[in-house]
Amino acid sequence: DGGITQSPKYLFRKEGQNVTLSCEQNLNHDAMYWYRQDPGQGLRLIYYSQIVNDFQKGDIAEGYSVSREKKESFPLTVTSAQKNPTAFYLCASSPRQGATEAFFGQGTRLTVV
Amino acid sequence: GESVGLHLPTLSVQEGDNSIINCAYSNSASDYFIWYKQESGKGPQFIIDIRSNMDKRQGQRVTVLLNKTVKHLSLQIAATQPGDSAVYFCAENWGGGFKTIFGAGTRLFVKA
Repeated sequence: DGGITQSPKYLFRKEGQNVTLSCEQNLNHDAMYWYRQDPGQGLRLIYYSQIVNDFQKGDIAEGYSVSREKKESFPLTVTSAQKNPTAFYLCASSPRQGATEAFFGQGTRLTVV
Repeated sequence: GESVGLHLPTLSVQEGDNSIINCAYSNSASDYFIWYKQESGKGPQFIIDIRSNMDKRQGQRVTVLLNKTVKHLSLQIAATQPGDSAVYFCAENWGGGFKTIFGAGTRLFVKA
């Protein structure tokens, strides 16, 4: 079935370590996004990519990095520079520029101890 | 900065009743307004959107109303069912679809 797959679902890391969250889609979508969700808050945009080999910073990009080497994949690295990395991370994709409907993955809950 | 907010963080309704979830927005330049549903431990799921030049749009059991005069958006769910229990987010979108701001969400409880 087509969809977006995020892995792992739960991730624990020690403070000061970089960690990479995986996001894969087989929907043939051009645009992909990473959001962060904290308890009781909405989704905040970290990075987005409109096409392969291109990506743009969102509202809270500091301490994060991404790559888009393949259309299907948009991994997010949470670096040690991110001051408060513990959160629920959501990856999404949309079929074309200007589309309002985004398709979300199941999320990765990252806990840094 | 621009923001999308919600009037009520929690809404409890009886099964079979209609639900109304409200949202206030501040960005007059938004092109679209969107509602998402998020069940516990899952990613948000698109429900319905409305273009900024429309006042009302209907879907299956849902209706979205847009009042640009007071910058207010609402989602009406008819004959609310237990499966409708979730957190509902409103969002506003501009810039060709890549800039979307989400509100904090309203948790809907459906009582049997």
